[in-house]
Amino acid sequence: DAKTTQPPSMDCAEGRAANLPCNHSTISGNEYVYWYRQIHSQGPQYIIHGLKNNETNEMASLIITEDRKSSTLILPHATLRDTAVYYCIVRQNTGNQFYFGTGTSLTVIP
Amino acid sequence: EPEVTQTPSHQVTQMGQEVILRCVPISNHLYFYWYRQILGQKVEFLVSFYNNEISEKSEIFDDQFSVERPDGSNFTLKIRSTKLEDSAMYFCASSEEARSIGGYTFGSGTRLTVV
Repeated sequence: DAKTTQPPSMDCAEGRAANLPCNHSTISGNEYVYWYRQIHSQGPQYIIHGLKNNETNEMASLIITEDRKSSTLILPHATLRDTAVYYCIVRQNTGNQFYFGTGTSLTVIP
Repeated sequence: EPEVTQTPSHQVTQMGQEVILRCVPISNHLYFYWYRQILGQKVEFLVSFYNNEISEKSEIFDDQFSVERPDGSNFTLKIRSTKLEDSAMYFCASSEEARSIGGYTFGSGTRLTVV
């Protein structure tokens, strides 16, 4: 099952940074943190992943705390198209599936 | 950007009928997956497939379900005798390798409605 805790919903003003928190206090040393999002019942979309270090790509930045018990996904300049459910997932090392929780419903407000 | 293609986008079927959901994974990917999402609920893993056999499946994936890669490009999910509770969005995904450090690429889904 999902090993992460996320707030159920958040709002963000268009053009501002959206910071989505995730707690994963029981993460194991070799487990990665992944972020996906789902826009209005479309297929989940991979955003970013990380192990220990902070990561950045064209979509977002991932900040992982030093103890790895929590992380934050940052969308630097949120747009209306970023309105979606964002899932923080810790990858199980006993299989190759992703366990999706309930995620955070992010609403970007004009 | 490469895509996972799913057809049809919406299928309506009568209870007890067989349905086949089709997927064309990304061409150089070797691992294939089906997930489903009942309306308002979580995205759930069904099955993973590699080298023409199932590598992992969930409790949901019972004898009513089967998967097949009939040719070099298609990956199908068959539900033998549909039930009302099979109504859901079904997502296909693919990856270059199992336990890939990178993420999976999901298709846009097939909405299955069983009446």
